[in-house]
Amino acid sequence: QQPVQSPQAVILREGEDAVINCSSSKALYSVHWYRQKHGEAPVFLMILLKGGEQKGHEKISASFNEKKQQSSLYLTASQLSYSGTYFCGTEPTSTGFQKLVFGTGTRLLVSP
Amino acid sequence: DAGVTQSPTHLIKTRGQQVTLRCSPKSGHDTVSWYQQALGQGPQFIFQYYEEEERQRGNFPDRFSGHQFPNYSSELNVNALLLGDSALYLCASSLSGSYNSPLHFGNGTRLTVT
Repeated sequence: QQPVQSPQAVILREGEDAVINCSSSKALYSVHWYRQKHGEAPVFLMILLKGGEQKGHEKISASFNEKKQQSSLYLTASQLSYSGTYFCGTEPTSTGFQKLVFGTGTRLLVSP
Repeated sequence: DAGVTQSPTHLIKTRGQQVTLRCSPKSGHDTVSWYQQALGQGPQFIFQYYEEEERQRGNFPDRFSGHQFPNYSSELNVNALLLGDSALYLCASSLSGSYNSPLHFGNGTRLTVT
């Protein structure tokens, strides 16, 4: 079952904050976040494992609520370089295989 | 440190033909996964290779097959191409057995079937 991402698209001015959500109808072991710029490969941002761990990477952080089967990606003080499409990839079990089911993506555009 | 490399970058084929796409994983990685990404969609898992064997498979027909070589590089073969096979095909490598090992993607092969 493909996870649902919201919003589908968001436009920000440089310096504004955004939250991208990823919800699954299945129990999850892990959630992976990737950013893909047009014409480029998806780039890994972070992995969150079962346990509600919150991780951060510069001004990008994320949380994972295993009871609600949801993850949220927080982008603070956005920069122009944050523009792209964000995908969450989910794993239902801890196989170690990284067989990810990706959401449909959230398009983020940061303008000056 | 070379990342994941894929070839060719673009390919145009006719319906019914066969195609082979190639992937070299990131140095040190032993697992290769293939994903299909239709325009405006998230990547969809095709299959994964480890120790030269198909370890996991997604919901794709047998027309999609693959191979992994002793040097961990991999090929994706698609037979009897359909118009719906037009997509970006992404190869991703990772390190087996590590739950925190992220996928490293190549830039993909853009396949157009006419």
